[in-house]
Amino acid sequence: DQQVKQNSPSLSVQEGRISILNCDYTNSMFDYFLWYKKYPAEGPTFLISISSIKDKNEDGRFTVFLNKSAKHLSLHIVPSQPGDSAVYFCAERGSQGNLIFGKGTKLSVKP
Amino acid sequence: NAGVMQNPRHLVRRRGQEARLRCSPMKGHSHVYWYRQLPEEGLKFMVYLQKENIIDESGMPKERFSAEFPKEGPSILRIQQVVRGDSAAYFCASQGQRKETQYFGPGTRLLVL
Repeated sequence: DQQVKQNSPSLSVQEGRISILNCDYTNSMFDYFLWYKKYPAEGPTFLISISSIKDKNEDGRFTVFLNKSAKHLSLHIVPSQPGDSAVYFCAERGSQGNLIFGKGTKLSVKP
Repeated sequence: NAGVMQNPRHLVRRRGQEARLRCSPMKGHSHVYWYRQLPEEGLKFMVYLQKENIIDESGMPKERFSAEFPKEGPSILRIQQVVRGDSAAYFCASQGQRKETQYFGPGTRLLVL
């Protein structure tokens, strides 16, 4: 059973607009959440993270929101750029530091 | 650029052969995680190692798979008697201290014929 769910396999957005990627989780014991970005034939690249004691973390064009009561987090990219086109993975950090990933959402930003 | 290195990048094996995947962590990092990505899936944790120790192997298949991280040299993920279902991308990630950010290598794409 999946502990981290990304229900949208793909998302298409116009350049300059906002991209919103969503993620739901089941285990309320986890205390740290991360977003990774992955281009084809490359390894995932760390993007941004958030601790469960916060509800928002911002880094440039990227903002992650955490709603603990709904067990939901989202990644906002504003403004979206064509270079943002990639697969985005949401992950929780497990007790031994291992990451538990969702299946990913493929973002396409059209010029 | 002293990033995480993995080799080979691509590996083709016939059923029943052995596959050896290597991972050199970032300089100064002593924690290594291995993950596997099957087609159309997310990455799945396999094993967590520190130098000379296996810390958590709860994600490793019980048979044919083993991992090590010797005092000197890279971490090795070994798959014996490969089957077609082992075809996947295998990623390693290194970490300086526990609970710091994990940095991923480019992966090894294993194809079993």
